[in-house]
Amino acid sequence: SQTIHQWPATLVQPVGSPLSLECTVEGTSNPNLYWYRQAAGRGLQLLFYSVGIGQISSEVPQNLSASRPQDRQFILSSKKLLLSDSGFYLCAWSVLDRDLDEQFFGPGTRLTVL
Amino acid sequence: QKEVEQNSGPLSVPEGAIASLNCTYSDRGSQSFFWYRQYSGKSPELIMFIYSNGDKEDGRFTAQLNKASQYVSLLIRDSQPSDSATYLCAVGGGADGLTFGKGTHLIIQP
Repeated sequence: SQTIHQWPATLVQPVGSPLSLECTVEGTSNPNLYWYRQAAGRGLQLLFYSVGIGQISSEVPQNLSASRPQDRQFILSSKKLLLSDSGFYLCAWSVLDRDLDEQFFGPGTRLTVL
Repeated sequence: QKEVEQNSGPLSVPEGAIASLNCTYSDRGSQSFFWYRQYSGKSPELIMFIYSNGDKEDGRFTAQLNKASQYVSLLIRDSQPSDSATYLCAVGGGADGLTFGKGTHLIIQP
């Protein structure tokens, strides 16, 4: 069965510090991978998605970036965090089939920027 | 821009009754529709998906889709206190991710 991991689970960072969040998927090959952010009262916002190694699409201009160095690894980064980067960061995967495109979420990373 | 609208609630339902959650979407070309359950502090969990007009039943859950009206609903029969959560409606149609509503907070009263 497929499993998705995220770490760290929680993170408290000062404004201006760098960020690196990691997501890995087990039990599947060539998944589509996604980064979402859920801020209080704002719902889930798609940040990045990737359909393959080195292929990243950005949905929202921001100070965040994403990379996919391996098939089942997805990394979210920032060089300098802003207060507005606080939120619940969720990684998700899907296997795009002609009939199916359900997404499954990892446990998330709760980021607080102070 | 794709939009998904849900009543934020809270929706309060007595234990054992039917909970009815509703969602409308803006993109008429949307092909796939999902309901996620999210407990406080946890990540969303997929509970239902539907692709065709009509009803789809899975245990106590029924998803209903009306593409002409751009409307999706989720019915929960015999509601239990453990069903208390936020329910997220999501709409998709490809590899470029899902569009989520802000969710409806459901409270099942014992």
